[in-house]
This record gives sequence, structure tokens and C-alpha cells, in this order.
Amino acid sequence: KAGVTQTPRYLIKTRGQQVTLSCSPISGHRSVSWYQQTPGQGLQFLFEYFSETQRNKGNFPGRFSGRQFSNSRSEMNVSTLELGDSALYLCASSLGQGTSPAGELFFGEGSRLTVL
Amino acid sequence: AQSVTQLGSHVSVSEGALVLLRCNYSSSVPPYLFWYVQYPNQGLQLLLKYTTGATLVKGINGFEAEFKKSETSFHLTKPSAHMSDAAEYFCAVSHMIYNQGGKLIFGQGTELSVKP
Repeated sequence: KAGVTQTPRYLIKTRGQQVTLSCSPISGHRSVSWYQQTPGQGLQFLFEYFSETQRNKGNFPGRFSGRQFSNSRSEMNVSTLELGDSALYLCASSLGQGTSPAGELFFGEGSRLTVL
Repeated sequence: AQSVTQLGSHVSVSEGALVLLRCNYSSSVPPYLFWYVQYPNQGLQLLLKYTTGATLVKGINGFEAEFKKSETSFHLTKPSAHMSDAAEYFCAVSHMIYNQGGKLIFGQGTELSVKP
């Protein structure tokens, strides 16, 4: 079974630009969550999508947004990039309901964003 | 509100020695508890989880953790460290509720070094 795939793996942007990151979950997984990882703040929850609806949201500004498609693939977008947005963005998928306990997440390798 | 505290941002052990990584949590409801491992330039991998039932849980690669409600702790141990255990380890908590989905609260992480 293929794992969680994130693209691109690395990217460099300049302040003020916007960026879109993509995540393909494990086949059959309907929940996709996004996390930001930085040396200073650690792992912080951005948002979660389940069946194309945002189910949970973290404490990030509105510049951070996401969406999920009918095939469960997800994208996240960051507009008007700031230097502080430089981070590893991790996507995680899970079954999202039923017999899968909350929190049993399968992570991708991440997209490393550098903002200059 | 839930929170996780990992004691010690860096732990160094000799190969063959006991590994002990400490995690304390705060939760107003019965928690689900997790340990994840992250190798350099990779995503997170689930080591083990506690949901309900037996308080001593065994995970992959010889790791185990014990849930102690009275101490609000979930420390990770391994009897004998191997060089390949060098990585960053994260403790995480979520609500014991289905459909909380992908929202985990992570600790700040503990980097484990293993000396030959």
C-alpha cells in the first residue's frame, strides 16, 4: 500500500508570494490533517479535512487555508508569505472514523518551505 | 485544554544502555496517548499508542510505554539502545473520542543520541 505522498518536497519562495502544497493520502483514508513543524514552535496543528469538509482547525491566521477533493487528496495554501512561514509542512492521513482511534495518523515526508 | 510536556530536549545514551524518554500530559478527559519517531528528513512514524485497556503498551523496534494515570505520565522505554534508535521522539495526546480525527497535541520532542 502506497504511503502518504506530499509534493513538492522542497520549495523556495519570497515574502509576499503564495504557495500551494499537495497531499495524497493512503488509499481508503478519508481524513487529511496538516501540521507545521518549526524548531521554535515544534509541531502545530493547522487543520483537518474529512469528506471534503474542514472538521478541526488550529490557531493559525486566515492566510493559511486548505481544501479536500472528492478523492480525498488535499491541498493547503499560504498566501502573502512571511519569513516566519518557513517550516516543514507535514500532511497526515487516517481512516478518520469508526474503528480507527483518534490520532492514529500516517505521515508523509513533508514539504520544506523556505521563505526569503 | 490538553498539553504535553517532554522532559529533556536532548537525551544521550550509550549503545546497549536503557533508553528512557519522559512524557507528562494534561487532559480534562480520558486521553489517547501516542509516541511518534522522526528520522532526519522524514515524516513521523507511530511507535505505539495507548487508548484503553492494558496500561503497558508495546510498540515497534522494542519500545514500550506505560500509562500512569495517577502520575499523568506516559514514559517511553527501551531496554537496550541501538545506534539506529537515534532520532527525534514526540509524545502526543488527543481526546478519547472518535471523530476527533487528526488533531493531536504534540510535545516539543526529545532528540535521542546513541553513542557507540
